[in-house]
Amino acid sequence: QLQLQESGPGLVKPSQTLSLTCTVSGGSMSSSDYYWAWIRQPPGKGLEWIGSIFYDGRTFYNPSLKSRVTISADMSKSQFSLKLSSVTAADTAIYYCARHVYAIGLDHWGQGTRVTVSS
Amino acid sequence: EIVMTQSPATLSVSPGERVTLSCWASQSITTNLAWYQQKPGQAPRLLIYDASSRATGIPARFSGSESGTEFTLTISRLQSDDFAVYYCQQYNNWPWTFGQGTKVEIK
Repeated sequence: QLQLQESGPGLVKPSQTLSLTCTVSGGSMSSSDYYWAWIRQPPGKGLEWIGSIFYDGRTFYNPSLKSRVTISADMSKSQFSLKLSSVTAADTAIYYCARHVYAIGLDHWGQGTRVTVSS
Repeated sequence: EIVMTQSPATLSVSPGERVTLSCWASQSITTNLAWYQQKPGQAPRLLIYDASSRATGIPARFSGSESGTEFTLTISRLQSDDFAVYYCQQYNNWPWTFGQGTKVEIK
């Protein structure tokens, strides 16, 4: 069964770069049917799509974050990563990684990792 | 950017009742819409995709429908396990966008 697991620091200082990795197990990342996505949820608020990466390396970002976001993938390690630069307290959130199946939606999610931006 | 608007923000219902949640898209998204359920402390779970298709393992009491840019999630007979927040999401256009959520709480 497909599983996704986020990992990375739970505390990041303001102005620094948030870095998270999602490890995929139980399935292949290399399919044209899949996008691999990052979504976040600030405390007590709704879901915000950050960006996605396709199996061929193409990336798609939320315009509201595009200038600060980089998503990359290492298919050989079954991992994809998120980097968010120049963070502020507004970036404090639970960060989820997920698989999006073409024409279906986000069908598998990681458990989420809480990231706090604070000095 | 396509704006997804959900209504109501909160719904207070009793177990066994029929529940209808609404989601509007600011422009056409054909049927590229999904519904998710999120319980406290958990990741969202895919319920419905393609506006009306149930995801794997989702009970038949959950159904989705579409009329133009208006989408509806119906829970035929609410069970105690269904009290949660529900989100709609469009994946027709970049950027993908979510509605703000509807909380279904116990009356």
